[in-house]
Amino acid sequence: GAVVSQHPSWVICKSGTSVKIECRSLDFQATTMFWYRQFPKQSLMLMATSNEGSKATYEQGVEKDKFLINHASLTLSTLTVTSAHPEDSSFYICSARDQGLGTEAFFGQGTRLTVV
Amino acid sequence: GDSVTQMEGPVTLSEEAFLTINCTYTATGYPSLFWYVQYPGEGLQLLLKATKADDKGSNKGFEATYRKETTSFHLEKGSVQVSDSAVYFCALSDRGYGQNFVFGPGTRLSVLP
Repeated sequence: GAVVSQHPSWVICKSGTSVKIECRSLDFQATTMFWYRQFPKQSLMLMATSNEGSKATYEQGVEKDKFLINHASLTLSTLTVTSAHPEDSSFYICSARDQGLGTEAFFGQGTRLTVV
Repeated sequence: GDSVTQMEGPVTLSEEAFLTINCTYTATGYPSLFWYVQYPGEGLQLLLKATKADDKGSNKGFEATYRKETTSFHLEKGSVQVSDSAVYFCALSDRGYGQNFVFGPGTRLSVLP
């Protein structure tokens, strides 16, 4: 099946700094990518939908100025957590859909962010 | 809006026991249904899926049947192994391209030797 690569798989940063997470579709083109956040022992919550070449659509309650999403190409979307705080520590997962394969979405391996 | 409900966990079973994880959904259209599995420290992996009523998805000994009349997609396995210990997520997705997934809360399964 198609592969989505997420990088880094884990990162530790200091409060107040920014962290960028990359999501790449390796062998297909993804017009749309999705960013999720997962708190410990909880389900995935959609943060935003990233469309190539246009602004991301954020879910209610997600601060767009804090979680910057860029989808510059059909194979790459980035999530930047700006001015990170300890409460931003979480597991972030991206997914991408390949139109040619129907409704199936492929998930990255996730990024564990710890803000100290 | 669309929603997915799963049985509450955690579920603890002995090796070779029978597994059922219940999943029901609410959707306005005709969604596709999925089970994803998340092993410790990893992302989500597609376990199985069904795209229309009465379809049965199966993989690695797991099965689930799309039941439109009961809006259910229960996950079953006849004989679990220790390696099946993970969190299982039921999810639905509208068929239109670009629509995101709605996930259930997840059910943590622990299989003891």
